[in-house]
Amino acid sequence: DIVMTQTPLSLSVTPGQPASISCKSSQSLLHGDGKTYLHWYLQKPGQSPQLLIYEVSNRFSGVPHRFSGSGSGTDFTLKISRVEAEDVGVYYCMQSAQLPPFTFGPGTKVDIK
Amino acid sequence: QVQLVQSGAEVKKPGSSVKVSCKASGDTFKNYTFVWVRQAPGQGPEWMGRIIPIFGTTKYAQRFQGRVTIVTDESTGTAYMELSSLRSEDTAVYYCARGLWFGDLYDPRDYYIDFWGQGRLVTVSS
Repeated sequence: DIVMTQTPLSLSVTPGQPASISCKSSQSLLHGDGKTYLHWYLQKPGQSPQLLIYEVSNRFSGVPHRFSGSGSGTDFTLKISRVEAEDVGVYYCMQSAQLPPFTFGPGTKVDIK
Repeated sequence: QVQLVQSGAEVKKPGSSVKVSCKASGDTFKNYTFVWVRQAPGQGPEWMGRIIPIFGTTKYAQRFQGRVTIVTDESTGTAYMELSSLRSEDTAVYYCARGLWFGDLYDPRDYYIDFWGQGRLVTVSS
């Protein structure tokens, strides 16, 4: 199975300040079809996960522009340009390049200072 | 609006089985996969398996092989996940989710999960 790691595991951010989360995979997530199967989810407290970013850098419908994703191969980053109170929760990266199974990172808990 | 409605919480005895249902709205049944993911208390999500309803084809995580079965009922637009030989470590919230895929019967490619159900807590305790 592809192993996903994330750093940091927790992050405390002042509202209006930027935040960055790193995700690394044990194998390249670049598929032979040219797509890179790395996605980001946010699980707000008490809620189900929700899709933020798919295929490294594509914002899902309704996701604010302050969220952006980048990276390639095995190294990826999720950035929040200006953190808002509603952004608190746990952020997970997930790979779907190799199935089964899809695998998730351990999560990065973001809270507000 | 996408809806994935799961049944309520359950408490099960060790060694028994649990069957979780997930009713989907709209075109989910015809054009997407049903994915099952569980999340133990304080842990991250864990992918269990998925089914492509129009083909009935499944894939399961190796660690659940032989214990998990995912099926769909086209007449009601509902997916089911059954987990057998339950143990205390299976206590978790079980999510049904909708997955995107492309390709065909012989070479389906799973893409990503775009919507999640509300989850269902299954507690395994004697």
